[in-house]
Amino acid sequence: SQQGEEDPQALSIQEGENATMNCSYKTSINNLQWYRQNSGRGLVHLILIRSNEREKHSGRLRVTLDTSKKSSSLLITASRAADTASYFCATDNAGGTSYGKLTFGQGTILTVHP
Amino acid sequence: EAQVTQNPRYLITVTGKKLTVTCSQNMNHEYMSWYRQDPGLGLRQIYYSMNVEVTDKGDVPEGYKVSRKEKRNFPLILESPSPNQTSLYFCASSFGATNEKLFFGSGTQLSVL
Repeated sequence: SQQGEEDPQALSIQEGENATMNCSYKTSINNLQWYRQNSGRGLVHLILIRSNEREKHSGRLRVTLDTSKKSSSLLITASRAADTASYFCATDNAGGTSYGKLTFGQGTILTVHP
Repeated sequence: EAQVTQNPRYLITVTGKKLTVTCSQNMNHEYMSWYRQDPGLGLRQIYYSMNVEVTDKGDVPEGYKVSRKEKRNFPLILESPSPNQTSLYFCASSFGATNEKLFFGSGTQLSVL
């Protein structure tokens, strides 16, 4: 079953607006990561947040993690057309025996209009 | 330059013809992994390797083989490809499995006719 699921599936905004994407997961995790993918390209790592952290920032990106709700959000502030991409969350499984398994959600397609 | 290199970038083949997609990283990473990406299904893990000679199944290993004889290389082998293996494949690596960020290759678009 899918560990991480993003919401919304697609998001369309104007340049300068903020974009918020959410990720929900089912089992306990050690950490959660966010990745970005430009059309058909390899994924690029954005942020990793560990289960004992609640918030993390990197430039215009802000990630929160609520382990009690098993959810995370990615906020992109002052969006630019160049932020147009798909965004994925990825989770491990703290309770699992497969240490190397990393599960990706289906992604949120973000379109930023100039 | 630190990178994960996949080859080929595009591959068209026919059902049953064995093929290998190569993956190499120059960052001395211990962990390597293969994913396939299909519309509406996101990325699904095929196999991963924690170190040389250590491999394990991901969520969708059927029809695939891997080997890790050297630290830098992690080839994906399709012994008898079928049309349902038509997909976009990504190799990735990291220093420390799932608790470190992954570096991805550029992808291999495979079509099995």
